Amino acid sequence: SQKIEQNSEALNIQEGKTATLTCNYTNYSPAYLQWYRQDPGRGPVFLLLIRENEKEKRKERLKVTFDTTLKQSLFHITASQPADSATYLCALRRDGNKLVFGAGTILRVKS
Amino acid sequence: GAGVSQSPSNKVTEKGKDVELRCDPISGHTALYWYRQSLGQGLEFLIYFQGNSAPDKSGLPSDRFSAERTGGSVSTLTIQRTQQEDSAVYLCASSLGTDSNQPQHFGDGTRLSIL
Repeated sequence: SQKIEQNSEALNIQEGKTATLTCNYTNYSPAYLQWYRQDPGRGPVFLLLIRENEKEKRKERLKVTFDTTLKQSLFHITASQPADSATYLCALRRDGNKLVFGAGTILRVKS
Repeated sequence: GAGVSQSPSNKVTEKGKDVELRCDPISGHTALYWYRQSLGQGLEFLIYFQGNSAPDKSGLPSDRFSAERTGGSVSTLTIQRTQQEDSAVYLCASSLGTDSNQPQHFGDGTRLSIL
């Protein structure tokens, strides 16, 4: 069956360090992968999209990589800040126009 | 406002009652999606609309769930004879189209609690 897996354990890091979050998938061949941020009590907010022919995408302090051979995407936040604390979700298209989300990884940045 | 608006933000109701959840998408967005998110879980796809039609209803958990969209804009998700397992946050999203390269813009959801 098709699966998207993200680290279920929270990631705790110190302010200023680089946070790296992982998204692994099986039995997909997605053309695009998206990352979202979700704060408690709020809906997810779109951050970045990366295409299958792109190895890396950057936006300010964010960087996403996409390895279709490993079936993995890495999401990096450099110079992390306490305000970056949130749940981060990856999402892939499946079966037509459905966007399927991973369960998300909680990131906590401590000052 | 400029974003996706959902109402009510919270709904508490007794088991067996019907509930109606509303979503007002971003103006001009032709695609509209409904998801359900249980505590600590990922988003579960329910249904999506392209215009007023729903090409994919496969995520609806049972025939107690239905949704409609009128005028290519507002959508309502109706749950009949609610059960305790229906308790969750119901999220709505809209996008310019249904291509997978289109980001989805989410509302803040309706938190539904069934007593």
